Order: sequence, then structure tokens, then C-alpha cells
Amino acid sequence: GAGVSQSPRYKVAKRGQDVALRCDPISGHVSLFWYQQALGQGPEFLTYFQNEAQLDKSGLPSDRFFAERPEGSVSTLKIQRTQQEDSAVYLCASRATEANEKLFFGSGTQLSVL
Amino acid sequence: LAKTTQPISMDSYEGQEVNITCSHNNIATNDYITWYQQFPSQGPRFIIQGYKTKVTNEVASLFIPADRKSSTLSLPRVSLSDTAVYYCLVESSGGYQKVTFGTGTKLQVIP
Repeated sequence: GAGVSQSPRYKVAKRGQDVALRCDPISGHVSLFWYQQALGQGPEFLTYFQNEAQLDKSGLPSDRFFAERPEGSVSTLKIQRTQQEDSAVYLCASRATEANEKLFFGSGTQLSVL
Repeated sequence: LAKTTQPISMDSYEGQEVNITCSHNNIATNDYITWYQQFPSQGPRFIIQGYKTKVTNEVASLFIPADRKSSTLSLPRVSLSDTAVYYCLVESSGGYQKVTFGTGTKLQVIP
């Protein structure tokens, strides 16, 4: 596609609900990152995929957070039993290789947990 | 990972040149310096990347001194549309490394 696409753009969840956030990276991009961005803060690293392999999940805040990229393209970030502190913008980014090339970001999913 | 330090915020009038300096004292030999721009309700966007001396593109210039312990992003003749948060990152060219963002510099352009 022309860019990184994320859906939904906005998600409102009741506390305790499970949510799934989708990322469609640029076609052919090897690397995919997920970030969490709280209001007024910079993006915080969550996890990294190289193709279908999740090479780094050191930023996932708890075992309620789970990410997958089964075919090395589309990725899903799942949050189980959402809590109010999970409210944030979740950003996805992709790059062509694993090296220090430019990252292309989606517009994010704004999650609000009530 | 080299830690970066940059001002939290800056104000500038329209038409002026803006320079945002980032400190990265423990930068490694194979590290590059990358700058991103983020508007509200959007993901960050790549602006410029450099290793040493000076890099210029259609948007900005990046100045890196010989010791590489700092870098300066220069935006010529800013307009209101340049109001955004600017992030300085240090990235390794040696395979995968976690890409981390700091809090960035919030630039406010004043009419």
C-alpha cells in the first residue's frame, strides 16, 4: 500500500474488555514496530518483528499485551482485560529492512478505556 | 543505546531559522543520528539522518560536529505549519537495535 495503515482509528473499551488493534505495514517491509504513546510523551517501544519473528518484546508492559505477525505482513496487537492505564495512542511503524533506514508510521489507534 | 537530551520546548517567530540541538555524549562509532517530526494526531515522520559533518535535504539541515557528541537540526524560515514535536534518535547501523524515542522538543511557531 501507499503507507502504513492502522485500524480502528479510535477504540473505546470498557475496563476488562479485550481489544485488538491492526497494523497493515508497507508491502514488503521486513521490520515492524509497535509503540505506545501517552498524552504529551514520546512514543514508548513495545515490540519488534522481523518478518514473522517477534525478536524483541521487552517493552510490553504486562502479560496482558500480546502481538503477532503470523505471515510477516499484517500485525495485530491484542490487549486483554484492558485497564484505564492502557489508554493511549498505539502506533505501528515499518521499515524496509532491519537496518537504520527511515521508519514509516501509521496514524495510530487512540484507545480509551472507561 | 546512546541516551539523547534535547530541550523540552522552543518558541520561534514565523520566518526565522530554528536550531534544535540534541546531546548524545555516549554515541558509538557505528551509530547514526536521525530526526523525526510529529504533528498532533499523526505518527512521527522522518526528517533527516546523518553520520557526520552536514546533511541537507529539502526540509532541513543536520549539523554534526567532529566529536559527534551532539547534533543540531536546522529548520530554515519556519512557518506556522512547522509547529510540531521534533525527536532526536541515535540508531545503530549494526543490525537490529531497539528504536527508542525521548520526549522530544515541542516547537511552537508564533505568527
